[in-house]
Amino acid sequence: DAGITQSPRHKVTETGTPVTLRCHQTENHRYMYWYRQDPGHGLRLIHYSYGVKDTDKGEVSDGYSVSRSKTEDFLLTLESATSSQTSVYFCAISGQGLNQPQHFGDGTRLSIL
Amino acid sequence: SQQGEEDPQALSIQEGENATMNCSYKTSINNLQWYRQNSGRGLVHLILIRSNEREKHSGRLRVTLDTSKKSSSLLITASRAADTASYFCATDMDPNTGTASKLTFGTGTRLQVTL
Repeated sequence: DAGITQSPRHKVTETGTPVTLRCHQTENHRYMYWYRQDPGHGLRLIHYSYGVKDTDKGEVSDGYSVSRSKTEDFLLTLESATSSQTSVYFCAISGQGLNQPQHFGDGTRLSIL
Repeated sequence: SQQGEEDPQALSIQEGENATMNCSYKTSINNLQWYRQNSGRGLVHLILIRSNEREKHSGRLRVTLDTSKKSSSLLITASRAADTASYFCATDMDPNTGTASKLTFGTGTRLQVTL
């Protein structure tokens, strides 16, 4: 298994509170991604990173921000959580070059009450 | 927007039978990938087929790609109970090297293999 660790694995919080999810990799891969998975929608890309301090928006980026200060860590922040952000969040990594597969962490189940 | 759509949404078969899942997509792609997800776990990459390939094999898996119909199929032969999982297709539309592969996933096929 690719060395990807997501923390926390489960979190319950209240509407309006800030939440930060962490993704840590030991593979030294350049690219990192955050997805959310919801019933009926599959996985949708929130943000991705193509290097330290280099990030860009995905399909569903509103309400989320990211940071990458080190190659191995990619943080996803919900500045003020809303109930619509209740979801399972997955981090993925991929290497450089064309036709590279992505490797996923085991996800963070986030519930916002 | 959903680029890949899997069909069927759910499939139940007996051990030893073959399972076929289909994926359709809307725009030109660079490659198409299949992933498996066991309950409560992350996605695991199974196979990648490039836009200039028509068929690819990996163990009991066979993937076909028809770019003229914008469709792909995943065949699992001689299914086992351990194959029970959700299967997703994902398309990569970016042909450029040196960029992130921003995949677009379908909604998945839930496969149940019974003894």
